[in-house]
Amino acid sequence: AQSVTQLGSHVSVSEGALVLLRCNYSSSVPPYLFWYVQYPNQGLQLLLKYTTGATLVKGINGFEAEFKKSETSFHLTKPSAHMSDAAEYFCAVSDPGGNEKLTFGTGTRLTIIP
Amino acid sequence: GAGVSQSPSNKVTEKGKDVELRCDPISGHTALYWYRQSLGQGLEFLIYFQGNSAPDKSGLPSDRFSAERTGGSVSTLTIQRTQQEDSAVYLCASSSSQGATGYTFGSGTRLTVV
Repeated sequence: AQSVTQLGSHVSVSEGALVLLRCNYSSSVPPYLFWYVQYPNQGLQLLLKYTTGATLVKGINGFEAEFKKSETSFHLTKPSAHMSDAAEYFCAVSDPGGNEKLTFGTGTRLTIIP
Repeated sequence: GAGVSQSPSNKVTEKGKDVELRCDPISGHTALYWYRQSLGQGLEFLIYFQGNSAPDKSGLPSDRFSAERTGGSVSTLTIQRTQQEDSAVYLCASSSSQGATGYTFGSGTRLTVV
């Protein structure tokens, strides 16, 4: 069975500061990994994904994440936070080759301090 | 259509009533998924359709929940005898043959049971 742990249900950073949202996963097979963002009263938007190949993946809005197999981690970073980054962020894992349902973490609410 | 459409966007119902939630996937997407987003619980997988078949119903929380898909397109999630714990946002996603790497989520239906 797969699982995802997001450390920190709430994270606050100052505008212009580094954003770091943590995600660790458990999977019996090499997983596909995802970060989604959810703005208030909206659906989920894909930020970035890792499937195979390069372990550092770049996504939209200046976000990136690095797949570290040895640490079973897929942390999300952005060098400089912007007010518009305030949202809830979800890490997810899927089992490639299965029915590819997503197993989500419980989410991290990011607040940007002006 | 251009995106995944869910209706209604909001539904308030009395405890004990039945409700139907609708999902219109992206045209041509063969896979369709239902998820539930509860406060503090993150997102939970409910059911997966491939075409009109549901090979994975493992996430349906009780026999009060059922879903169908017709014509390989529209899906309906039905909750019978609603309970207050059913209050949540119900999200639908569709995908082409790319599976989890090609998900598009709808904006969800917010269900409130009073």
